[in-house]
Amino acid sequence: EIVMTQSPATLSVSPGERATLSCRASQRVGSNLAWYQQKPGQPPRLLIYDASVRATGIPARFSGSGSGTEFTLTISSLQSEDFAVYFCQQYDQWPPWTFGQGTKVEIK
Amino acid sequence: EVQLVESGGDLVKPGGSLRLSCAASGFAFSDYSISWVRQAPGKGLEWVSSISRASTYIHYADSVKGRFNISRDDARNSLYLQMNSLRAEDTAVYYCARSPIIGTRWFDPWGQGTLVTVSA
Repeated sequence: EIVMTQSPATLSVSPGERATLSCRASQRVGSNLAWYQQKPGQPPRLLIYDASVRATGIPARFSGSGSGTEFTLTISSLQSEDFAVYFCQQYDQWPPWTFGQGTKVEIK
Repeated sequence: EVQLVESGGDLVKPGGSLRLSCAASGFAFSDYSISWVRQAPGKGLEWVSSISRASTYIHYADSVKGRFNISRDDARNSLYLQMNSLRAEDTAVYYCARSPIIGTRWFDPWGQGTLVTVSA
């Protein structure tokens, strides 16, 4: 099973600043990685797939990069609606499809 | 609009059973793989089970294998999860989620979820 590890657990950022979230896979997963955003009381929403492709309707301030075992989600200028929990997920070797434990982006 | 709506969540005693349903609309349900993903209170996401188009491939997480059964009814545009021998650690919000037409990869969209509580 591929273990996904996200860091940091919590990221404190001021509105308008840049946020950089990391996700590491225990084995190489190519570019088979997705990112999700989850707000309280809501289901996850797909942001990025194939490591760097924005899903339909996702603003350009969200970008994904990386391949192999190291991945990054960057939010270029945080808006108030971006404060949420973010999860990464690999779909290279399955089952199981595995998620990271999440990074909470909070207001500084 | 693509929509997934879960139902069937409830409070159940350890050892009990429950059947969850997921009603799909707005897309050709039979063409897609659909999955169940759960989230324990205050915790992260855990993939539970997936079923491919025509039920050709079915997968389960080790934590539920032998206790849960996934099925689909394409005529009713519905997905089901039969949950038996429930344990306290099965307590979670259960989401159904669609994958891209190429197969189970990422999950998009997700339903709103249904809460399953296993407690005496």
